Amino acid sequence: GQQVMQIPQYQHVQEGEDFTTYCNSSTTLSNIQWYKQRPGGHPVFLIQLVKSGEVKKQKRLTFQFGEAKKNSSLHITATQTTDVGTYFCAGVTQGGSEKLVFGKGTKLTVNP
Amino acid sequence: GAGVSQTPSNKVTEKGKYVELRCDPISGHTALYWYRQSLGQGPEFLIYFQGTGAADDSGLPNDRFFAVRPEGSVSTLKIQRTERGDSAVYLCASSPSGGRGEKLFFGSGTQLSVL
Repeated sequence: GQQVMQIPQYQHVQEGEDFTTYCNSSTTLSNIQWYKQRPGGHPVFLIQLVKSGEVKKQKRLTFQFGEAKKNSSLHITATQTTDVGTYFCAGVTQGGSEKLVFGKGTKLTVNP
Repeated sequence: GAGVSQTPSNKVTEKGKYVELRCDPISGHTALYWYRQSLGQGPEFLIYFQGTGAADDSGLPNDRFFAVRPEGSVSTLKIQRTERGDSAVYLCASSPSGGRGEKLFFGSGTQLSVL
């Protein structure tokens, strides 16, 4: 079945440093979504990427979708303490059901 | 409602008991999803409803798990003969029409603890 893998599992940075998490799918995706889950909270939608090679920016966050639509990345520039949480990618398989399959997430901690 | 509502927020039960978890989606959302999240893991897909029918139940781990959505709004996830391994946060999410790539709106989850 479809698998979505994320690395790293954990990342600890000093405030002001950059952070990147990578997502890889075993199947070609029709789209990929990114969610953020704060400690004790529930996943909250950040963004969706649909097109091959697409790049989207939200303030200090940059999201990329690979040319083959099997991988994606999230990059945060100059992390802040408010960026703390777990970042999940989630994909929908091209030609499959509409179910969204999540990766295991990357837990980001930021040292002030 | 303003958001996806899940009740109870916490449920403690004994091994072998039956539990029901309720999800009230955002008003007007036709698609409803159940996920299970263990500590340190990502949400694991269980089942997806489009209206009253289960469009994809491939994530239900075994026949002890069953979910219904009889009127196309509120859904109940039912777990029979609970086991300690069922302990997790059960998340419900909804989306407006369930189309490919719609963002999901998650509830706060039900923390299930099986003793």
